[in-house]
This record gives sequence, C-alpha cells and structure tokens, in this order.
Amino acid sequence: KQEVTQIPAALSVPEGENLVLNCSFTDSAIYNLQWFRQDPGKGLTSLLLIQSSQREQTSGRLNASLDKSSGRSTLYIAASQPGDSATYLCAVLLYSGGGADGLTFGKGTHLIIQP
Amino acid sequence: NAGVTQTPKFQVLKTGQSMTLQCAQDMNHEYMSWYRQDPGMGLRLIHYSVGAGITDQGEVPNGYNVSRSTTEDFPLRLLSAAPSQTSVYFCASSFDGNPRTQYFGPGTRLTVL
Repeated sequence: KQEVTQIPAALSVPEGENLVLNCSFTDSAIYNLQWFRQDPGKGLTSLLLIQSSQREQTSGRLNASLDKSSGRSTLYIAASQPGDSATYLCAVLLYSGGGADGLTFGKGTHLIIQP
Repeated sequence: NAGVTQTPKFQVLKTGQSMTLQCAQDMNHEYMSWYRQDPGMGLRLIHYSVGAGITDQGEVPNGYNVSRSTTEDFPLRLLSAAPSQTSVYFCASSFDGNPRTQYFGPGTRLTVL
C-alpha cells in the first residue's frame, strides 16, 4: 500500500526566508506527484504537478522536484511571504494496470510565515 | 467555467438518516472521485469513476454509494449516517490522460449527531 509522509508537520519562519518542504512515498510506481495548498476551511488548490518522467516543475517562487527512484519530492518556496501561510499537501497518483487510481495524500505541512 | 462545484456546503444529520452529497464539473472530465478529510488522517479516497457508468471503490468505501449516470455529475450517497462519517468531503475531477491534474471542489462539511 502506498504511504506518503510529509516532514515537517509544522513550520514557522520569518518572512523573506527560503524554505523546503519534504515529501516521501513508499511505492515508486507513480503516475505523477501533485503539490496542493489548503487554506483553513477551504478546498485544495493545485500548485504544481510533476509527471513521473520529469525531474522538476517551477511556478513563480515555487519549485518542486521529484526523485522517483528514492521516493522523494521537495517543494522549495523562495522569499516567503505571509500570504504563503497555509497547509501544503503532497499527493501521489499511483499507476495501476487499468489506468490511474486515486490520489494518496500525505498529512501535510502546516506553514506559518511571520511578518 | 465554474470548475468543480459541491452542494451543500454544510450539513447536519442525525444517526440513521440518509442524504446525497452533490458534485458537478463543467470541464468534461472523465475521471471523478470523492475524498474525506479527517484530522490526523489526511485525505482518503472513498470512490472514484473513470467515466459514465463506471465506478470503483477507494480506500474507505463502506457506508457510501456512488453512481455516474452523466459525465458531469458524481453524487455520493450516505445510506444510514453514522457519527464516524462526520468529516469534510471533497470531490475532484481530471481528464483521463496526461497530465491528470486533479481539480478539487470547495468541500462539504458534514456532522452526524
């Protein structure tokens, strides 16, 4: 069974710092890996998706990397801002013989950026 | 283009009552799925569908039924609500092809007394 772990569970840093969120997964037979942001009481917003054949994706101040062989992904946030405060979720889509099944999620990293 | 919509936003049920959580998408996505989010457990897959008339079970399907009669709609039915089904429910959709980016609805917060 695929398991996804996110470290740290919580992180509080001053504004302007660069930071790294970590995600690891146990089954390397993934279709893709997706990073989401969730604000309190809200739904999930997709930030970045990395397909299994890719090594990284970038969007603005965000950069996500994928090392499928070691079962790891990182989300790098540059020059953090108070508006980045949220819970960040990592999810993998497992490939099955008949196509892709649902996402397996980590429990998230709760990020607070101090002004 | 409304994306993925869910109704209702909030619901309170008594144990044993039944109800249907609605999910609709206007992106012509083949793949739709339901998740529940519980504190300390993260999001877990309940049921999913790869197209009209096709559904399958996820990790936690017990106590829930689904059907997919149209591409746009994927309702989740609670047959006899239990307190253990108190949770936040999210619906998601994607194309059934690369890159399979999943788009989520705003969620339904359900409390079962």
